[in-house]
Amino acid sequence: GDSVTQMEGPVTLSEEAFLTINCTYTATGYPSLFWYVQYPGEGLQLLLKATKADDKGSNKGFEATYRKETTSFHLEKGSVQVSDSAVYFCALRGLDYKLSFGAGTTVTVRA
Amino acid sequence: DAGITQSPRHKVTETGTPVTLRCHQTENHRYMYWYRQDPGHGLRLIHYSYGVKDTDKGEVSDGYSVSRSKTEDFLLTLESATSSQTSVYFCAIKEDSNNSPLHFGNGTRLTVT
Repeated sequence: GDSVTQMEGPVTLSEEAFLTINCTYTATGYPSLFWYVQYPGEGLQLLLKATKADDKGSNKGFEATYRKETTSFHLEKGSVQVSDSAVYFCALRGLDYKLSFGAGTTVTVRA
Repeated sequence: DAGITQSPRHKVTETGTPVTLRCHQTENHRYMYWYRQDPGHGLRLIHYSYGVKDTDKGEVSDGYSVSRSKTEDFLLTLESATSSQTSVYFCAIKEDSNNSPLHFGNGTRLTVT
């Protein structure tokens, strides 16, 4: 079945550092890919998405490119802020239209 | 906020008791989902609904039942709660469009003692 594997955390960074969270997937066909973010005490919010190969999703300075050849959708941000501290989830929607989530990566940014 | 309200926000209950969690939406979306979130597992789908009285099982449905008698409400019931059901439960809704994202509620933290 469909599955998502993402980099285990926790990840701790200093402000203005570069952030990368790796995400790879296994799926039949051409899934849609998503990154969600969860701030403390809240539900998940969509951060960005890509629906076909080579699409780049971007939002709030975060980017991720749908790489079919490496089955990856790595999340990047060039200069993180304290407010980016959160849990990040990679997810895919396959042929059955259900979302499969990765285990989540906790990111802490220190001032 | 996508117009999703989960109640209660927190619940402590004893093993063997029944528990019902409620998800209410004001968006009139057709699709509704219940997930549980546990450390190291991300979110796992319990049940989902694709319309009034139309529901189906997710990957971790054992011990849970759902009902959807109105578009706006999706209830999750633990008939006899167990300690393994201690978790944070999230409701989500989705528009009909295939590529539309899920919108999540703020979660219900359930502790079974």
